[in-house]
Amino acid sequence: AQSVTQPDIHITVSEGASLELRCNYSYGATPYLFWYVQSPGQGLQLLLKYFSGDTLVQGIKGFEAEFKRSQSSFNLRKPSVHWSDAAEYFCAVVMDTGRRALTFGSGTRLQVQP
Amino acid sequence: DARVTQTPRHKVTEMGQEVTMRCQPILGHNTVFWYRQTMMQGLELLAYFRNRAPLDDSGMPKDRFSAEMPDATLATLKIQPSEPRDSAVYFCASGLLRGDTQYFGPGTRLTVL
Repeated sequence: AQSVTQPDIHITVSEGASLELRCNYSYGATPYLFWYVQSPGQGLQLLLKYFSGDTLVQGIKGFEAEFKRSQSSFNLRKPSVHWSDAAEYFCAVVMDTGRRALTFGSGTRLQVQP
Repeated sequence: DARVTQTPRHKVTEMGQEVTMRCQPILGHNTVFWYRQTMMQGLELLAYFRNRAPLDDSGMPKDRFSAEMPDATLATLKIQPSEPRDSAVYFCASGLLRGDTQYFGPGTRLTVL
């Protein structure tokens, strides 16, 4: 079955440390890939997206993500985490480009320690 | 700064009551989505409109949920009758047909007692 997996439910990092959030998808072709961030009580904000081309994409707030076709992964990274990055992060894919609806992973909650 | 707006932001109601949630997509966007977020199920698609026509509502319980777009500036999601298991945050998102990026509203937090 087509699915999106975020294996880490909860991650804690120290402020200033690097961050990597994992995302794997299961699909026969390359889907469109997204990372969204949700702060408590807020909606979802798009961080970055991958449709095609350069497999390393840059997003807002200093985030980047790398698409690896061989691993069916789209991991999110940030070299130095700020306390304001504490939030929940969702990986999402558009599995059927004709349908356009997003399929979300279960999310990773990021906690930042001072 | 164009945004998706949703009303109400919070709704508390009693079981059996009708609930209507409204969404104003970004002007010019021709695709509208309704998603539901719960602790148990995460984010899941309820319905999807393109150019105001419903294309996919397979995620909705058909006996109690209905989604419509009476015009290009308004999408509605209605629950009748509501049940406690409908308690969730309901998000509306809009986008362009060729853009594939969806912009989310702030959500409506529904509590059914």
